[in-house]
Parts: sequence; C-alpha cells; structure tokens
Amino acid sequence: AQSVTQLGSHVSVSEGALVLLRCNYSSSVPPYLFWYVQYPNQGLQLLLKYTSAATLVKGINGFEAEFKKSETSFHLTKPSAHMSDAAEYFCAVSESGAGNKLTFGGGTRVLVKP
Amino acid sequence: DGGITQSPKYLFRKEGQNVTLSCEQNLNHDAMYWYRQDPGQGLRLIYYSQIVNDFQKGDIAEGYSVSREKKESFPLTVTSAQKNPTAFYLCASSPLGAGGKTQYFGPGTRLLVL
Repeated sequence: AQSVTQLGSHVSVSEGALVLLRCNYSSSVPPYLFWYVQYPNQGLQLLLKYTSAATLVKGINGFEAEFKKSETSFHLTKPSAHMSDAAEYFCAVSESGAGNKLTFGGGTRVLVKP
Repeated sequence: DGGITQSPKYLFRKEGQNVTLSCEQNLNHDAMYWYRQDPGQGLRLIYYSQIVNDFQKGDIAEGYSVSREKKESFPLTVTSAQKNPTAFYLCASSPLGAGGKTQYFGPGTRLLVL
C-alpha cells in the first residue's frame, strides 16, 4: 500500500526566504507524485507533478520539486517566499494500475512573515 | 470556462437526516472522486467512479452513498449512519489513462451538524 508523510504540519518562513516542504512516500511500484496548494476554504490547485520524466520538476508560482528515488522523497522548494505563498500544501502519490487514485499526506500549512 | 462546480458551499444537517452534496464537471472527464478533509488529516477518499453507472468504495465509504447516472455528475449522499459528518468535502475529476493523470478539484462544500 502506498503512503505519504509530510514532515511538519506548520512551517513559518520570512518573506524572501527559502521555502522547503518535505515529502516522503512509500510505494511498491514507481510512483507518480503531485504537489497541490490549497488556499483557505477553497479547493486544491495543482502546483506540479512527477511522471517519470525529468527528476527536477518545475511548477507554477516559482515552485519546483526533485524526485529522489534513493531517498523516496519529493521535497518542494521555492527560493524566495512571497506573502501570497501562505497556504496549505499537500503531497500526494498514485500508482500505475491503481485507478489513478491519490493518497495524500497530512498537509503542511505555510505562514509567511513580513 | 471548463471546471468543477460543487453546491451548496455550506450545508447544515440535522440529526438523523440524509443530505446530498452536488458535484458537476464539464471537463469531459471519465473519472470522478469524493474526498473528505479534516484538519491535520489531509484528504481521504470516500468513493470514486471511472465510468457511468459504476463506482467503487474508497478508504472511508461507511455512512456515504453515491450515484453516477451521467458522466458530468457524481452526487454524494451523507446518510444518518455517518455519525461524524462535520468536514469539508471535495469533489475531483480526471481523465482515465495509464497513470499520473491530474485530478482537478472543485471549490468544496462545508458540512456542519446542527
């Protein structure tokens, strides 16, 4: 069975500082990996996804993530935080043959300090 | 504009009452999903459907029911058997395929118990 662990339910960063959100997964087959962002009382929006092409994936709003098979990780980064990055971020995994079902991590809420 | 709509935005349930949450998509996607979101627990899959007139239970289907009579629509009924229904409910849709297909989310319905 697949699972996702996001280290840190809350992260606080200063505006202009690096944003690093950690995601580790377990999967018995090569996974597909996703990062979504959720603003308060809204649905989820896709930031980026890994589907076995390049291991460094660039997404929207300046975010990127690197797939590291040896570490079973897919950490999300942004070089310089902006106030508009304050939101909750979810890492998710799906497996080929699993009907495109997603398994989500518990989420990380990002607070950006001026 | 293509997308997913959910209604109502807020829903109140009385003790012993069944309530139905609406989800409609005009993205021509074959697959649709229902998730429940509780604080600190990420999203958990309730039901999903890959084709009209067929659906499968997810991880937390007890106390819920669905139907898929039309490709565009996937309503969720929260029955009186669901003893703790207060949560944020999210509907999503995706194309079918080999895997790694992006799920697109609606804006959500918040269900509260009176």
